[in-house]
Amino acid sequence: EIVMTQSPATLSVSPGERASLSCRASQSISTNLAWYQQKPGQAPRLLIYGASTRATGVPARFRGSGSGTEFSLTISSLQSEDVAVYFCQQYYSWTFGQGTKVEI
Amino acid sequence: QLQLQESGPGLVKPSETLSLTCSVSGGSINSYNNYWGWIRQPPGKRLEWIGNIDYSGRTDYNPSLRSRVTISADTSKNHVSLTLTSVTAADTAVYHCARLEREHPYFYYYMDVWGRGTTVSVSS
Repeated sequence: EIVMTQSPATLSVSPGERASLSCRASQSISTNLAWYQQKPGQAPRLLIYGASTRATGVPARFRGSGSGTEFSLTISSLQSEDVAVYFCQQYYSWTFGQGTKVEI
Repeated sequence: QLQLQESGPGLVKPSETLSLTCSVSGGSINSYNNYWGWIRQPPGKRLEWIGNIDYSGRTDYNPSLRSRVTISADTSKNHVSLTLTSVTAADTAVYHCARLEREHPYFYYYMDVWGRGTTVSVSS
């Protein structure tokens, strides 16, 4: 099984500042990686697929990068509405990271 | 706009069978480029993929659950169903359904639309 490990577990960022989230795969997954945002009581929202392609309607402040085993999600200027849990997922065999909670 | 809505009993007794339905609106489940999947999240744990079904009815299951899981699709009702047999407390979770979209030109599928999920507790 491909294990996905995210860091940090919690990230505190001031409004307007940059947030950087990491995701590591236990083996190479090329660019078969997606990032999701989840707010309490809501459905997870797709942000990024193919490691770096923004989904429809996702603001440009969200940027994904990486390939192989190391990936990152950057929120360039954190907005209050970005407070959420973010998790990564590899879609070779569909396993998920444990999530990073972003707070202000 | 595609929407997915999970439904089913919120409480199931140990050793019984869990049955959930994912109702799809704003699109058809009979789509060549899509799979339909189930994912769950036990309290305090990470998300776990349960399985998928494609337009032809072909299924793919998590090996850890394969012996107990069945996913089926009813195109006349435009919904996808999940059945999990012999449940235990470890099956207590929020259960989500999702549409999987093919990443062109490849044959890898990511989850692009999710339902909010339904909470299932296993307890006597």
